[in-house]
Amino acid sequence: SAVISQKPSRDICQRGTSLTIQCQVDSQVTMMFWYRQQPGQSLTLIATANQGSEATYESGFVIDKFPISRPNLTFSTLTVSNMSPEDSSIYLCSVGDGRGYTFGSGTRLTVV
Amino acid sequence: AQSVTQPDIHITVSEGASLELRCNYSYGATPYLFWYVQSPGQGLQLLLKYFSGDTLVQGIKGFEAEFKRSQSSFNLRKPSVHWSDAAEYFCAVGAITGGGNKLTFGTGTQLKVEL
Repeated sequence: SAVISQKPSRDICQRGTSLTIQCQVDSQVTMMFWYRQQPGQSLTLIATANQGSEATYESGFVIDKFPISRPNLTFSTLTVSNMSPEDSSIYLCSVGDGRGYTFGSGTRLTVV
Repeated sequence: AQSVTQPDIHITVSEGASLELRCNYSYGATPYLFWYVQSPGQGLQLLLKYFSGDTLVQGIKGFEAEFKRSQSSFNLRKPSVHWSDAAEYFCAVGAITGGGNKLTFGTGTQLKVEL
């Protein structure tokens, strides 16, 4: 299965700023996924990112707040924009299809 | 729409005792089912998955799960729990939709192991 390198692993950010999270995969993949895990909660899908097209966002998530880039088949970034304390979460990227998914180790974001 | 229910938020077992974590799903067709484990400060690790065939699935770390279509369940079991199994466990259902694939997670079960 694919190996995912995600960074940063953690960050503490000031409210109103933005943070870009990077996800690098060791093989070419068609779809990459970005999830959010709020404190004590389960994982919620933010968006699906396909190379060469705009990301598809789930209900409750918008591109202005969570812009995603997918420049090639092994890399993606998620930006958390204009952050507030409510954005404090773990953000995870994932790759795979219906038969299996691999997750990055996550980015633990704290907004102060 | 697909959904997953994990009825037990917290479970405490003694080391060496057996374990069963419950998972019920809702999906219109044959689902792809997964169990993941998340240790504190760690990412998600896949324990096992079910796509088709034998309804009893073996996974890593001595875990197994049984798919029961009639009950819409995919419960995770382990005959003898080790202290290192203390973690959060997530059941998930996968679907291939017209727009791509997505995983829907349950709310998780926090497992505590008493020595």
